[in-house]
Amino acid sequence: DAKTTQPPSMDCAEGRAANLPCNHSTISGNEYVYWYRQIHSQGPQYIIHGLKNNETNEMASLIITEDRKSSTLILPHATLRDTAVYYCIVRVGSNFGNEKLTFGTGTRLTIIP
Amino acid sequence: DTGVSQNPRHKITKRGQNVTFRCDPISEHNRLYWYRQTLGQGPEFLTYFQNEAQLEKSRLLSDRFSAERPKGSFSTLEIQRTEQGDSAMYLCASSKNIGQENQPQHFGDGTRLSIL
Repeated sequence: DAKTTQPPSMDCAEGRAANLPCNHSTISGNEYVYWYRQIHSQGPQYIIHGLKNNETNEMASLIITEDRKSSTLILPHATLRDTAVYYCIVRVGSNFGNEKLTFGTGTRLTIIP
Repeated sequence: DTGVSQNPRHKITKRGQNVTFRCDPISEHNRLYWYRQTLGQGPEFLTYFQNEAQLEKSRLLSDRFSAERPKGSFSTLEIQRTEQGDSAMYLCASSKNIGQENQPQHFGDGTRLSIL
């Protein structure tokens, strides 16, 4: 699986949009971009994933650049409960048989009141 | 959908003892995964099952570790002769994979193991 690079930490004011960047310059055509977050003392929580089109769900939006070498996770109106470590992961599709998620150290996002 | 359930949430034991953790996946999820997470690090993959078959094991899974999923539902992870280095959070995840669909893994809140 391709390696990802994320800033170690970020702050965002409550109510503002939080934009979390991720670089994955070695991503392959069959690799998806996944985002998870982990709140202290809990397991990782799935947020969103995509292949090449931008995606949106009730939690967040995922913007993937046209060359797919980077992406941005957007939390549109951050709340204090969004304070967590956010992980960007690239993973091949299920039909390729490589099932594991390879986590880095992620971005520690702190929402400031 | 009640989520992935892991028991116990915390386990404290003396070095050299055996421990067993249980994971109950989301109903109808045919894939189940085990990960380990140490302080300040992201989770690391240990092994995964499709139904009752164990399909991949990480080199992190030493001979002292064994995982089972006998009926393709719940799974157990056993660590024999525990060592100080086994202290970690053990996370279980499950997913429902059908053919080529790429479905996300959903995690439980883990079992925190402390070795005295």
